[in-house]
Amino acid sequence: EAQVTQNPRYLITVTGKKLTVTCSQNMNHEYMSWYRQDPGLGLRQIYYSMNVEVTDKGDVPEGYKVSRKEKRNFPLILESPSPNQTSLYFCASSWASTGYEQYFGPGTRLTVT
Amino acid sequence: QKEVEQNSGPLSVPEGAIASLNCTYSDRGSQSFFWYRQYSGKSPELIMSIYSNGDKEDGRFTAQLNKASQYVSLLIRDSQPSDSATYLCAGSDTGRRALTFGSGTRLQVQP
Repeated sequence: EAQVTQNPRYLITVTGKKLTVTCSQNMNHEYMSWYRQDPGLGLRQIYYSMNVEVTDKGDVPEGYKVSRKEKRNFPLILESPSPNQTSLYFCASSWASTGYEQYFGPGTRLTVT
Repeated sequence: QKEVEQNSGPLSVPEGAIASLNCTYSDRGSQSFFWYRQYSGKSPELIMSIYSNGDKEDGRFTAQLNKASQYVSLLIRDSQPSDSATYLCAGSDTGRRALTFGSGTRLQVQP
């Protein structure tokens, strides 16, 4: 089944404890992206990648890191999480390097206390 | 700041009616638009893409794009209670390879 997977789906952590949210797609897509979704603010892009080793900042990159060492994987790293990073996070991928027609993973709900 | 604007709703329609969801955008260079459906607690699901002026139909869904007016719409015919969800409009960003999302319109279909 063609899909985007994320792990973990739920995470509660404390301020300052480094964490990684994994994202993997099995559709051989060129483009991958991370978003956060907050009430009243909609979906905001954090980082995106057009191909292996090619990443770029989205609208809200502060406090996040990404890497794209393999085509299928695009992990999101929070080096020192803070409470304002409590949010619902989505990974997405697209066949198009333009980012058109993105398909979303199931989401990761992160709480930072 | 490039923006995609949507009325947050809720838009309430009776079962069997046509639901009309609208979206305006500020980036005149945007070429392509996408409609996503998001059920509460779930991830956005792509339901329609439109790349040129005019109408595009897929089953009960019709997307309409008017680049001169910077306006995109989604019509849902024969609305069903299962269509109750938040609908997100997204437009291509001419400055970078990304989509700009609206904040969504919540649709309620009353049985």
